[in-house]
Amino acid sequence: AQSVSQHNHHVILSEAASLELGCNYSYGGTVNLFWYVQYPGQHLQLLLKYFSGDPLVKGIKGFEAEFIKSKFSFNLRKPSVQWSDTAEYFCAVNALTNAGKSTFGDGTTLTVKP
Amino acid sequence: KAGVTQTPRYLIKTRGQQVTLSCSPISGHRSVSWYQQTPGQGLQFLFEYFSETQRNKGNFPGRFSGRQFSNSRSEMNVSTLELGDSALYLCASSREGTGEETQYFGPGTRLLVL
Repeated sequence: AQSVSQHNHHVILSEAASLELGCNYSYGGTVNLFWYVQYPGQHLQLLLKYFSGDPLVKGIKGFEAEFIKSKFSFNLRKPSVQWSDTAEYFCAVNALTNAGKSTFGDGTTLTVKP
Repeated sequence: KAGVTQTPRYLIKTRGQQVTLSCSPISGHRSVSWYQQTPGQGLQFLFEYFSETQRNKGNFPGRFSGRQFSNSRSEMNVSTLELGDSALYLCASSREGTGEETQYFGPGTRLLVL
């Protein structure tokens, strides 16, 4: 069975600070990896995704993530956060053979202080 | 291209009642998945439909059911509502639900059970 673990439940940063959110997954086969963001009052939006190829993927709004296969990790990073990045962030995984069923982490709430 | 739409956006029901939620996927998408989002349990997979057939099912009781129509629109039904069914119900669609695919999420239906 797939599982996803996000290490931080709540992160508080000041503007311009660097961000790294941890995500580890458990699954024996080939996976697709995602980071989604949910801004207050808005629906889930895709930040970035990894399917194959370059393990460093870039997404919207300056976010990037690195897939490290040996560590089963897919950590999200941003060099300098803004107040508008305040949101909940979800790491998700689905199997290549079963992309219609995603498993999500518990989410990390990011609060950026102006 | 229109996104995933869900109706209604908000619902209030009482215990014991039943409810039907609707989801229209992105045009051309044939895989529709449903998720339940609660503060305590996070995002949990309910089921996935493809070509009018349930292809995957999560660990929810039989009170939760769904169906998909020939135009790929999907409905989910919850019978004999319980207080714990209060949640945001999210629908997501993808083309085939296999391979390197991204699920696109709708805005959700927020259900409150009193």
